Amino acid sequence: EIVLTQSPGTLSLSPGERATLSCRASQSVSSSYLAWYQQKPGQAPRLLIYGVSSRATGIPDRFSGSGSGTDFTLTISRLEPEDFAVYYCQQYGTSPRTFGQGTNVEIK
Amino acid sequence: QVHLVESGGGLVKPGGSLRLSCAASGFTFSDYYMSWIRQAPGKGLEWVSYISSSSSYTNYADSVKGRFTISRDNAKNSLYLQMNSLRAEDTAVYYCAREGIRRDVDYWGQGTLVTVSS
Repeated sequence: EIVLTQSPGTLSLSPGERATLSCRASQSVSSSYLAWYQQKPGQAPRLLIYGVSSRATGIPDRFSGSGSGTDFTLTISRLEPEDFAVYYCQQYGTSPRTFGQGTNVEIK
Repeated sequence: QVHLVESGGGLVKPGGSLRLSCAASGFTFSDYYMSWIRQAPGKGLEWVSYISSSSSYTNYADSVKGRFTISRDNAKNSLYLQMNSLRAEDTAVYYCAREGIRRDVDYWGQGTLVTVSS
């Protein structure tokens, strides 16, 4: 099983600041099958990024993904008030599919 | 417009069984892999199981293997999760999810809460 470790656990930032979230895999992620999801309290998660760096439909370009192999990054270039949420990475190239434990981006 | 609506959650005693259902609409259900993903209260996401578009392939997390069974009825646009021998640690919101062409999860239902407690 591929274990995904996200860091930091909590990121305290102000609106307008840049957020950098990390996701590290215990082994190489197959064929760049890595996604990022956003979840707000009381809501289902929402797909942000798939295939490491492709934005899902309707996702603003302030969200970007990068990385390869075992190290991946989600960057939010300038935080908007609606971006404060929990973010999860997921690998779906190898069974079982696995999620990271999440990074909480909170208002400072 | 894709809609996924889960049902069947509730309170069940340890060792009991429950069957979750997911009604899909707004897309050609038989073209897509489907998954169940759960989230324990205050915790992160845990993938549970997936099933291929024609039911040829299924896969399970080790934590539920041998106890849970995923199935689908393409004629009814429905996904199911039969959960047996339930444990307290199975308590969670269970999400029905569509896997896109690339196998990422591109649509999620709103979830149904399963509580396992005596």
